[in-house]
Amino acid sequence: GQQVMQIPQYQHVQEGEDFTTYCNSSTTLSNIQWYKQRPGGHPVFLIQLVKSGEVKKQKRLTFQFGEAKKNSSLHITATQTTDVGTYFCAGGRDDKIIFGKGTRLHILP
Amino acid sequence: EAQVTQNPRYLITVTGKKLTVTCSQNMNHEYMSWYRQDPGLGLRQIYYSMNVEVTDKGDVPEGYKVSRKEKRNFPLILESPSPNQTSLYFCASSLLEGTPRYFGPGTRLTVL
Repeated sequence: GQQVMQIPQYQHVQEGEDFTTYCNSSTTLSNIQWYKQRPGGHPVFLIQLVKSGEVKKQKRLTFQFGEAKKNSSLHITATQTTDVGTYFCAGGRDDKIIFGKGTRLHILP
Repeated sequence: EAQVTQNPRYLITVTGKKLTVTCSQNMNHEYMSWYRQDPGLGLRQIYYSMNVEVTDKGDVPEGYKVSRKEKRNFPLILESPSPNQTSLYFCASSLLEGTPRYFGPGTRLTVL
């Protein structure tokens, strides 16, 4: 069945360093969504990517959707302590959605 | 304020005792869905609904039921809960099919 793999599982970075998480799907996706979940909180929608090769930016966050629509990445520039949390991707296809297992980001002060 | 509410937020119950977790949204969204979140397994979709009286199974529907009699409500029913249904449950809604946009605060369920 359809799978969405997300790496790395954990990432520790010094405050101010950059951070990237990657998602790879076993099948071509219709779209991909990214979410952030703070410890003890609920997932919060960040963005949706639909077009092949699409790149979107939100302040220090840059999201990319691969040309083949099978992979995606989230890059955070100059991390801050407020970036702490787990970042999930979720691939959509045929009205179904499959979540990656997330990357837990720890920020070292 | 746009929001998705879930009740209860925490529940400890025993095997076999029927329970319902309610979910309500105030955004007139057509698409609603339920997920469970388990350590190491991430978020998995249980059921989803594209509109009133239209529901479909997600990836892990066994042991769960849902109903969608009104647009705003999408309750999750566990007819005979078992310990393997101990989990953190999230309800979500959105305008776009297949794209959960707003999540509820979560319901932490423990089945003894």
